Amino acid sequence: EIMLTQSPGTLSASPGERVSLSCRASQSLAGSRFLAWYQQKAGQPPRLLVYAASSRATGIPDRFSGSGSGADFTLTISRLEPEDFAVYYCQHFSNSRATFGQGTRVEI
Amino acid sequence: EVQLEQSGPEVKESGESLKISCRGSGFPFDGYWIGWVRQMSGKDLEWMGIIYPSDSRMHYSPSFEDQVIISADKSTSTAYLQWRSLKPSDTAIYYCARVPRSWTDGIDVWGQGTTVSVSS
Repeated sequence: EIMLTQSPGTLSASPGERVSLSCRASQSLAGSRFLAWYQQKAGQPPRLLVYAASSRATGIPDRFSGSGSGADFTLTISRLEPEDFAVYYCQHFSNSRATFGQGTRVEI
Repeated sequence: EVQLEQSGPEVKESGESLKISCRGSGFPFDGYWIGWVRQMSGKDLEWMGIIYPSDSRMHYSPSFEDQVIISADKSTSTAYLQWRSLKPSDTAIYYCARVPRSWTDGIDVWGQGTTVSVSS
């Protein structure tokens, strides 16, 4: 079973900063097509940000970008906005099953 | 508008049964997979399983396979998550979520979540 490890666990940053969140798989993913990133704010369901490792979902601002391949993936927020402070999860589909990373909290 | 609308919060006692629902609208329900995700208080997202309402194909996460029952009624565009005997450790928020058939487009629509509280 593939495991996803996200780092850091918590990231302290200020509005306007550029931040990069890491997601490392326990083995190379057979194609990055099944790797996605989500944002979750308190009291809300997760929201899809990026799918297929680097494709932005509908309505997602272009300050969010995904990259990576093999076992290493990154979500970058180019300029943090106040509404971006949240928890971010990576997720992968394999064998009709989803695996989530443990999340990175982005806080002020 | 594409949405998944989940049933309301539940407060139960240990040993009781429960069935929560997730109704899709604004899209062809039988053209997508519908999955269930558990989130215990302040914790990670846990994948429980998924169903394809068109033909009721199901895939369970091993951790949940003998704990819950996933079903769907394509005639009413509704998916269900069911417990025969609840435990206090089932206390959590449960989300239903839509997965396109290709599996490559992420989990693109989420329900608002159903809070289940189980007391001993």
